[in-house]
Order: sequence, then structure tokens, then C-alpha cells
Amino acid sequence: DTGVSQDPRHKITKRGQNVTFRCDPISEHNRLYWYRQTLGQGPEFLTYFQNEAQLEKSRLLSDRFSAERPKGSFSTLEIQRTEQGDSAMYLCASSLPRGGTDTQYFGPGTRLTVL
Amino acid sequence: AQTVTQSQPEMSVQEAETVTLSCTYDTSESDYYLFWYKQPPSRQMILVIRQEAYKQQNATENRFSVNFQKAAKSFSLKISDSQLGDAAMYFCAYRRVNAGNNRKLIWGLGTSLAVNP
Repeated sequence: DTGVSQDPRHKITKRGQNVTFRCDPISEHNRLYWYRQTLGQGPEFLTYFQNEAQLEKSRLLSDRFSAERPKGSFSTLEIQRTEQGDSAMYLCASSLPRGGTDTQYFGPGTRLTVL
Repeated sequence: AQTVTQSQPEMSVQEAETVTLSCTYDTSESDYYLFWYKQPPSRQMILVIRQEAYKQQNATENRFSVNFQKAAKSFSLKISDSQLGDAAMYFCAYRRVNAGNNRKLIWGLGTSLAVNP
């Protein structure tokens, strides 16, 4: 049972460029989550999918952010016109409701640096 | 809105000794889940332990146990026989049970634990 994987692990970009991150959840997990974590802070929720449906979006997710999960498997998170304030670790997690707890398991994250 | 507070930004413990990390939360819900996650330096977030609020019995996982005080809205983590590999940032997190489409985890700011040899 492989864990959640994320690609790339690190991304350095210039302000104004677009970036896209990929997350592959644990096989058969139907729920997928994106969080953002800045240095010294806990993760902040961005968005959540159940299968291919995006069911919740945080108000933190500006119009420059978009996420997809087209076939209910992997997901992509795109940031358009990046800003320095977007520099953070972007975490993906997946879960499968079983027995009620629906525990989220995390990937290694993608660290974004916007110059 | 629910909030999670970790009042100890940094803690340290001697190898083989016991340490307790504090977490308090605020909610008007009666049923919810609580979690402790561990994030080692430059490594991924790992689930340490979870607790269902409806269960009175405190959860345990090997050297890790919790002291869940529902009335006080307190959820502390005890690490026994601390090992060097326990050094990490520890996050307390909350999630509603009957969440509908609200499945997000609400996080504290974390406690950085150092283990001294």
C-alpha cells in the first residue's frame, strides 16, 4: 500500500508565472484534500474532493487558485500569476471513510518558493 | 467556529523520559474527532494517534497516549520513553463528525519537541 505522493517536491518560480502541482492519493481513497502550510504555522485547509466532485473551497483560495480531480484519482492544484505570498508548503492528503473516523493521510508536500 | 490552541511552542525532553504536550480546543459540537500528527524536519506529516469524542477511554498507541478531558476541552499527548526519533513538530487537529461537506481538519500552531541524548 503506497502512500500519498506529490510532485514536484520543490518548485522555484518567478513572480507572475503559473505553477501546477500533482497529488496521487492512496489507492482507493475517494477523498482528497489540499492544505497550505507556511513556516511556523499549522496547515490551512484549501479544498476538498470526494471522487471527482470539489465539495468545499476555503475563502483562502483566491481566483488564482484552481484544483481539479478529473477522474477521481489524482488531483492537480494550479496557481496562476504567482505572488511572493504564495510561497509555502502545499500538502495533499487522502482518506477513505471506514468505521467513521475518515483519517487523513498526508503526502510529503510540494515546497513552493516564489522569487 | 472551532479553534485549536497549542500553548507550548517548544518543548524538550531527555531521551527515555516522559513528556506531555498540551492541546485545548473550542467547539459547540458534542461529537468530533481529535488527532495528533507528527511532522519531522523536512519530512511528511504522520498520524500519531486519534480519539473519538464519544469514547471515554483514552486512546493509546504504543508509547503514545492521550489524556482526553471532554468537559475541559483538553487533549494532551503523552510520549513515554522518549526516543531521538520523536523529535519533530507535533500538531493537534480537530474535525467534526457530522460534517457533511465540511471535512477539513482544524489545526493548532504546533509544538516543536526536541529530544536530548
